[in-house]
Amino acid sequence: GAVVSQHPSWVICKSGTSVKIECRSLDFQATTMFWYRQFPKQSLMLMATSNEGSKATYEQGVEKDKFLINHASLTLSTLTVTSAHPEDSSFYICSARDSGAEAFFGQGTRLTVV
Amino acid sequence: GQQVMQIPQYQHVQEGEDFTTYCNSSTTLSNIQWYKQRPGGHPVFLIQLVKSGEVKKQKRLTFQFGEAKKNSSLHITATQTTDVGTYFCASPPTGGGNKLTFGTGTQLKVEL
Repeated sequence: GAVVSQHPSWVICKSGTSVKIECRSLDFQATTMFWYRQFPKQSLMLMATSNEGSKATYEQGVEKDKFLINHASLTLSTLTVTSAHPEDSSFYICSARDSGAEAFFGQGTRLTVV
Repeated sequence: GQQVMQIPQYQHVQEGEDFTTYCNSSTTLSNIQWYKQRPGGHPVFLIQLVKSGEVKKQKRLTFQFGEAKKNSSLHITATQTTDVGTYFCASPPTGGGNKLTFGTGTQLKVEL
């Protein structure tokens, strides 16, 4: 199956700093990628749809100025958590599809804001 | 918005027992997908169901899509410790589109 690589797998940052998370499709081109957030023992909540060459589409309640998404190429989307606070600590996962129906997920990034 | 509920939320079984998780939607689904997420891991695609009443099998796993396309189930026969994880159903929006809405998930623990 297709491979989606996410980096870093975990990060600890100080409150008030920004963190960038990368999501790459390694063996296919993805015009659309998706960013999810997952709290412990909970489901995946879609944050935004990342569209190559255009602005991301954010889900209701997600602050676009807080979670900056850039999809500058067909193989790379980035999520930047700006001015992070402890409540932003979570597991962030990206996904993408190639030509099929299934979604391929990155390994996820565990963010801890201290 | 579209909501997909799963029951049960948690299930502990003894190895060898069967396990079933149910996924229910308030709206008709165009298709439904199932994913498995191991502890500490990321979701991995299991299967997609499209047709009303469809049944698909993967070894010990049996997936069903309801006749009304509003519910689905995943049944595991004779669970093994390797089945441990959280099982999610997921579906696209009723009006179409690429994004997926995930169900609430069922966490399965298998004890020896």
